[in-house]
Amino acid sequence: EAGVAQSPRYKIIEKRQSVAFWCNPISGHATLYWYQQILGQGPKLLIQFQNNGVVDDSQLPKDRFSAERLKGVDSTLKIQPAKLEDSAVYLCASSFGQGGELFFGEGSRLTVL
Amino acid sequence: AQSVAQPEDQVNVAEGNPLTVKCTYSVSGNPYLFWYVQYPNRGLQFLLKYITGDNLVKGSYGFEAEFNKSQTSFHLKKPSALVSDSALYFCAVRENYGQNFVFGPGTRLSVLP
Repeated sequence: EAGVAQSPRYKIIEKRQSVAFWCNPISGHATLYWYQQILGQGPKLLIQFQNNGVVDDSQLPKDRFSAERLKGVDSTLKIQPAKLEDSAVYLCASSFGQGGELFFGEGSRLTVL
Repeated sequence: AQSVAQPEDQVNVAEGNPLTVKCTYSVSGNPYLFWYVQYPNRGLQFLLKYITGDNLVKGSYGFEAEFNKSQTSFHLKKPSALVSDSALYFCAVRENYGQNFVFGPGTRLSVLP
């Protein structure tokens, strides 16, 4: 079974530029999550989707971050404009239902200069 | 709101010795508890979970965890540590079915040969 796919693995941009990350969850997984992991910290939820609907985006900085999952399968997370403090690893995870354990992708490491 | 504490930033243990990585949690309802492991430049991998039932949960790679409701703890254990167990370990809690996972700050385990 293929795992959660994420791209790109690494991205370096300058502040005020924009960046987009892509995630393709495990086939059949209805729930998709985007987490931000700052170095030395645990993952923090940015947004949770159930199919193509948003379940929780309370911790998403909506002035600069956006995410979509239009067809209920893959998802894109965008940051525009980026700030220095956005430097982190962006982890995508999926689960079969809202009650199951999470399966994580390898992550996308963002460096903002 | 739920929270997770991992009181030790770092745990060092000699190969072949038993290991324990500590986790305490706070929830207002019944907890769903999880352990994940993260190797360098990788995503998080699921180790085990407690939902209900037997307080001793067995998981991947010989790990187990004991749920203690009175002490609100869910410590991760392994009888005999391997050098390859060296990684970052995260405890996570979910309060209700479908609610957000909250991750602890992580504990770095170093197994010395």
